[in-house]
Amino acid sequence: NAGVTQTPKFRVLKTGQSMTLLCAQDMNHEYMYWYRQDPGMGLRLIHYSVGEGTTAKGEVPDGYNVSRLKKQNFLLGLESAAPSQTSVYFCASSYEGHGYTFGSGTRLTVV
Amino acid sequence: AQSVTQPDIHITVSEGASLELRCNYSYGATPYLFWYVQSPGQGLQLLLKYFSGDTLVQGIKGFEAEFKRSQSSFNLRKPSVHWSDAAEYFCGLSGGYNKLIFGAGTRLAVHP
Repeated sequence: NAGVTQTPKFRVLKTGQSMTLLCAQDMNHEYMYWYRQDPGMGLRLIHYSVGEGTTAKGEVPDGYNVSRLKKQNFLLGLESAAPSQTSVYFCASSYEGHGYTFGSGTRLTVV
Repeated sequence: AQSVTQPDIHITVSEGASLELRCNYSYGATPYLFWYVQSPGQGLQLLLKYFSGDTLVQGIKGFEAEFKRSQSSFNLRKPSVHWSDAAEYFCGLSGGYNKLIFGAGTRLAVHP
């Protein structure tokens, strides 16, 4: 039982490059989330999904896109990476707000 | 709108001393409240959560938290801190659409 798996764990991008972060959960959770963590700012919600085929904006959505084509997967895309997107990204899933399970994070550096 | 405030950015305590980390929230109804801990370079570990019922919640590692509706607070406490408790602590609130949002975190240092 893997829980929430994020790939990749580390990535270095050049400014303007694109990439997709993958989040996969095997708990049949309806809700999935993407956060970014920056020093002194805690974890801020980027986008979230309340079910397959749905997405919604969180606190800091600009510069990111997401898709939830399958219930178990939640993809976070950066179309044109900027140094301000250097961060640690966490994915999470939950069932009805009761139990949140987090992935181990992706450390992204944009140079 | 929902929000979480952790007023203390850094706290330093001596090993064996008691600890209280503050958390205030803003939400129009009764929220689900959480405390997570994060060690350097690690992910988040759930310490405890409050959904309803008894306002004093017991968690792992000897932590407890008390929900006070009148003060919109959910402070985390531990009677005797161990050096291994040094970490960053995040208070979280889950409200509408089950969105979990966090405070900015409190970094705890423990002196021997």
